[in-house]
Amino acid sequence: GQNIDQPTEMTATEGAIVQINCTYQTSGFNGLFWYQQHAGEAPTFLSYNVLDGLEEKGRFSSFLSRSKGYSYLLLKELQMKDSASYLCAVSGSARQLTFGSGTQLTVLP
Amino acid sequence: GAGVSQSPSNKVTEKGKDVELRCDPISGHTALYWYRQRLGQGLEFLIYFQGNSAPDKSGLPSDRFSAERTGESVSTLTIQRTQQEDSAVYLCASSQDRYSYEQYFGPGTRLTVT
Repeated sequence: GQNIDQPTEMTATEGAIVQINCTYQTSGFNGLFWYQQHAGEAPTFLSYNVLDGLEEKGRFSSFLSRSKGYSYLLLKELQMKDSASYLCAVSGSARQLTFGSGTQLTVLP
Repeated sequence: GAGVSQSPSNKVTEKGKDVELRCDPISGHTALYWYRQRLGQGLEFLIYFQGNSAPDKSGLPSDRFSAERTGESVSTLTIQRTQQEDSAVYLCASSQDRYSYEQYFGPGTRLTVT
């Protein structure tokens, strides 16, 4: 089976940097994903890591360590619109995504 | 539009009734996924299709749930004899094929069972 853990809530200030951690235990691994989900909307794809290391895409970066079963999503220069739920998901041997419960990020002015 | 569409957007039904939810994937996408999201929780995988076959039905919560897909197009998720615990947002996603890593999500169907 698969188990994914991430913090339930985080709060940060506009303009700051925030790191959202995700740990996972999985049978089979075909990549780790981060999705952003605003309230009442569908999730939108942010990043994908399948090899160890850091993937940078604008203000967002994602890191993976397969040996540690660990990933983080780094958000820089936070904006109010970044307030959302951030979902960590792992693709297993059958390629379906198993999602964590999500981290609700609140950005304060 | 070019995105994944789902209908209806909202459905309120009485306990015990059957409901049918529809998903239209992005044209040309061969892989299609159904997820359920209960209030305040993460997404729960239900089933996926590659073409019109469903190699993985492990996520369906009970035999009241079934899904089908015609060709590489529309899919329907049917819930029979609905229960209150079925209340959730049902999300559909599609990807180019089962090896493509990016899944594109539809807006979801909010199901409320009274």
